[in-house]
Amino acid sequence: EAEVAQSPRYKITEKSQAVAFWCDPISGHATLYWYRQILGQGPELLVQFQDESVVDDSQLPKDRFSAERLKGVDSTLKIQPAELGDSAMYLCASSPGGQYTDTQYFGPGTRLTVL
Amino acid sequence: GENVEQHPSTLSVQEGDSAVIKCTYSDSASNYFPWYKQELGKGPQLIIDIRSNVGEKKDQRIAVTLNKTAKHFSLHITETQPEDSAVYFCAASTAGSYQLTFGKGTKLSVIP
Repeated sequence: EAEVAQSPRYKITEKSQAVAFWCDPISGHATLYWYRQILGQGPELLVQFQDESVVDDSQLPKDRFSAERLKGVDSTLKIQPAELGDSAMYLCASSPGGQYTDTQYFGPGTRLTVL
Repeated sequence: GENVEQHPSTLSVQEGDSAVIKCTYSDSASNYFPWYKQELGKGPQLIIDIRSNVGEKKDQRIAVTLNKTAKHFSLHITETQPEDSAVYFCAASTAGSYQLTFGKGTKLSVIP
């Protein structure tokens, strides 16, 4: 069964350092999402891609966060500099498109701890 | 924007009993309602979903019901098993945006 891949699974960094997370969606899925999940809460959307284009990044803190999907396949989310409040699970999801564009499949996530 | 409320926040049931989790949404334009199961340290897993043109959907021990008039939907798990213990999230999506708004989650504990 095809799955969304994410790496690393865990990341510990010190504040003011740069971190990057990688996501490889299910093959053929054109829509890719990045979410942030704070412990004890539901995921919150950070950015949505359709192929290589950003559809919505209104919730992305652009002063320190950036996201790209250069070839419309895998994607990278970067934080620079990291702050203590960025500690969370960062989830990637992808959608098959067409009539099922809203059906999202999540990866295992990257647990970020900022010290 | 959309707001999704989920209740209860925690739920304990005896093995074999049924569990019901309820969600309400605010945007009448929402038309897609998935449920996710999240185990500790893992990503959310889609377990069942329903669209606004359907009132009920079943998959083995899991069922979801939707009341568009009242703007609420529910997850029903029958014959619960210890492996059903996890955090369950409901979500809603509005046609055209394809973006999910999640509830705050329900921690389900199934006691053997």
